[in-house]
Amino acid sequence: AQSVTQLDSQVPVFEEAPVELRCNYSSSVSVYLFWYVQYPNQGLQLLLKYLSGSTLVKGINGFEAEFNKSQTSFHLRKPSVHISDTAEYFCAVSAQSSTLGRLYFGRGTQLTVWP
Amino acid sequence: DGGITQSPKYLFRKEGQNVTLSCEQNLNHDAMYWYRQDPGQGLRLIYYSQIVNDFQKGDIAEGYSVSREKKESFPLTVTSAQKNPTAFYLCASSIFYSGAEAFFGQGTRLTVV
Repeated sequence: AQSVTQLDSQVPVFEEAPVELRCNYSSSVSVYLFWYVQYPNQGLQLLLKYLSGSTLVKGINGFEAEFNKSQTSFHLRKPSVHISDTAEYFCAVSAQSSTLGRLYFGRGTQLTVWP
Repeated sequence: DGGITQSPKYLFRKEGQNVTLSCEQNLNHDAMYWYRQDPGQGLRLIYYSQIVNDFQKGDIAEGYSVSREKKESFPLTVTSAQKNPTAFYLCASSIFYSGAEAFFGQGTRLTVV
């Protein structure tokens, strides 16, 4: 099975500062990697995903993530955050060998952007 | 517009009552999922279905039941056997591919009093 660890449960930052949300995973098979965002009382929305190719993946809203296979990490970054980025962020993995798109989620990181 | 619709958004029930949460999708996706979300716990898989009339238990299926009689619909029943049913429930769907994006509904917040 797969597991995901999000190292920070809460990350407070000031507006226009850079941010990094950390994600590490564990798996005995190759995986696909995802970041989702959840605004209060809403469902999840895909930010970006890594399937193959370039290890630097760009997503929506100016976010990007870098896949590091040796460190089994997939950290999410944004060079300058806005108040509107305040939300909960979830890292997830799925097994490449599985035909079903079952996702294994981390516990989430609450990003709070202060003015 | 294509998407997933969950209803109701908020649901209150007395302890000991069964309750059914609705999930409908018009994305023509084969796979559908139910997740439970608790603060600080992330999303945990309750049940999933790959095809009509077939479904599988996830990690926390005890006290829940589902059906998949139509491709578009995947209702979840929270039974009285579920010891701590108060939570935020999310339905999702995807195509049959492990690299596919999962599309989520807006969720149902269930409170049992």
